[in-house]
Amino acid sequence: AQSVSQHNHHVILSEAASLELGCNYSYGGTVNLFWYVQYPGQHLQLLLKYFSGDPLVKGIKGFEAEFIKSKFSFNLRKPSVQWSDTAEYFCAVNFYKAAGNKLTFGGGTRVLVKP
Amino acid sequence: GAGVSQSPSNKVTEKGKDVELRCDPISGHTALYWYRQSLGQGLEFLIYFQGNSAPDKSGLPSDRFSAERTGGSVSTLTIQRTQQEDSAVYLCASSPGLAGLNEQFFGPGTRLTVL
Repeated sequence: AQSVSQHNHHVILSEAASLELGCNYSYGGTVNLFWYVQYPGQHLQLLLKYFSGDPLVKGIKGFEAEFIKSKFSFNLRKPSVQWSDTAEYFCAVNFYKAAGNKLTFGGGTRVLVKP
Repeated sequence: GAGVSQSPSNKVTEKGKDVELRCDPISGHTALYWYRQSLGQGLEFLIYFQGNSAPDKSGLPSDRFSAERTGGSVSTLTIQRTQQEDSAVYLCASSPGLAGLNEQFFGPGTRLTVL
């Protein structure tokens, strides 16, 4: 069955440090890729998405992600984090031909940015 | 405009009781999704509705779980004979189209505790 893995469960870093969160999926077909974020006390919201085209996509709040098809990865990056980036981050994948129109989410990564 | 709303925000029940969780999607959104988020876990897909099509129930964990969507709008998730392992946050999301191609907008969730 298709799956999504986020290997880092918790990340702690200081302000201005660079952030990279890993996301890998298991499926050889076409995928649509998403990163969602949940700030403390808030709803899940979309950070960015990739369907096709340039594999480097830019999202809100300075985040970007790169789709590397050969590695089945869609890692999220931010060059310089702020305290306000403290949140839980979820990678989600649509395995369209295999699983229809639902999203499969990774287990999430909790990020704590120390001021 | 108004976002996705869910009620109740918290529900404490005794093992063996039935519970109903409600979701009001964003007006005009044709797709509605239910997920479950257990402590330390990612989002587990339960069921989705798309327009007038038959719902995709492939994520429902047992026949104690059911959901309906009336008039293409409000949805109710029912859990019969609740068990302690049903304790989780139940999230609803709606989308203007198919989740694989559109952003999902999430509600605040209902935290269910089964004693």
